[in-house]
Formats: sequence, C-alpha cells, structure tokens
Amino acid sequence: DGGITQSPKYLFRKEGQNVTLSCEQNLNHDAMYWYRQDPGQGLRLIYYSQIVNDFQKGDIAEGYSVSREKKESFPLTVTSAQKNPTAFYLCASSMVGGSVEQYFGPGTRLTVT
Amino acid sequence: AQSVTQPDIHITVSEGASLELRCNYSYGATPYLFWYVQSPGQGLQLLLKYFSGDTLVQGIKGFEAEFKRSQSSFNLRKPSVHWSDAAEYFCAVGARGGGADGLTFGKGTHLIIQP
Repeated sequence: DGGITQSPKYLFRKEGQNVTLSCEQNLNHDAMYWYRQDPGQGLRLIYYSQIVNDFQKGDIAEGYSVSREKKESFPLTVTSAQKNPTAFYLCASSMVGGSVEQYFGPGTRLTVT
Repeated sequence: AQSVTQPDIHITVSEGASLELRCNYSYGATPYLFWYVQSPGQGLQLLLKYFSGDTLVQGIKGFEAEFKRSQSSFNLRKPSVHWSDAAEYFCAVGARGGGADGLTFGKGTHLIIQP
C-alpha cells in the first residue's frame, strides 16, 4: 500500500538535545511538508520541499532543520534552539508543489522535558 | 495571501442529527478548497475537495460541501452523523496557479457527538 510513514509515534527527549523525526513516502510525490500542530492552533508550516536537494522555510522554521537527499525521505531535526519543541508533528506530501491536495502521515508526538 | 476562518471551535451534535461545519476563506479569486478530518492522535485524512465545476461536491464517509462564491464559504454537511464522526475537522484553501508552500489551514472545529 502506498502511503506516508512517520517514526516513531512517540518521542521523548531531554531539553538541550537535538532530535530527528523521520518521514518516508512511497507515493512518488515530488513535494513534501512538515507541520507543527498545537491545541487550538491548527497546522503551522515548518519547512517544505518541492524537489530533491532543495527546501524552503515555512512560517515557523526557527529552531528546525531539514534535508531532502532522496525523493522518498524528508527528515526533520528539532534543534536545541527551538524554544517550545513539545508538539505533534505532521509530515505530508503532494504530487507537485503548490495547491493540490496533500496526504498526511500519522504524526509524531514529541515531548521534551 | 489567502486565509481560512472556521468560526466554531467546538460543535456538539446528537447522533443521527444533521451537521454543518462552517468555513470562510479570503482569497482574491476562486481558490482550491479542501476539508480534512483528524481523529485524536492521528494524521489528517482528505474528506473532499473543490477545484472547479459543480459547486456541490461529494466526499467520503457521506460528507458533502457546497462552495458559495458570493459568501466566500465552503461549508461541510452531513445529513445524519454517527458516533464515529467525532473528530477534528479542518478546512484548507490553496491558491490557483501557485503558492509553492501549499495549503493554508483553518484552526479546526472539534465535533462532539452526543448519544
């Protein structure tokens, strides 16, 4: 079955540590996205990528980094510079960049203490 | 830039009753419009989308939505809700012809189903 996988489902880290969230898709989609979700805030765009080896900052990129070395993979690193990293993180992909429908992974709940 | 407003943060409906969730958008032309549903702790699932043509679109799980250009609205409806419909619902808008950063999402409406 085609889809998007995110791992792990739950992640716990100590403050000051960097942590990398995995996102893989086998939909042959060109574009991939990372969102952060907090209660009552909806989805906020962190980073997006339309093509391998290229990515752009979204609305809340500070404290995060990404890479896109393969079409299928778009890992997100939450660095120690992120002030409030505890959140639910969602990865999505779409056929092309832009305004077509996006398909979402199951999410990763990150808790930093 | 486009924006989306979902005026209702929470909505409570009795099982078997009809449902309407409101969505208003701001955009200079006719946008692409979407409704997504999210169960607790899960990702978002696409319910339906509007690109062009018939302004009443049918989606999965018995949902439909109507695009009203004059009201800048794209409200989601279901004639009879089931307990399994309890979830968070997000309206999203995409700009025609561009916007590499994709969709703009509303803040969501939490649907509660009463027995």
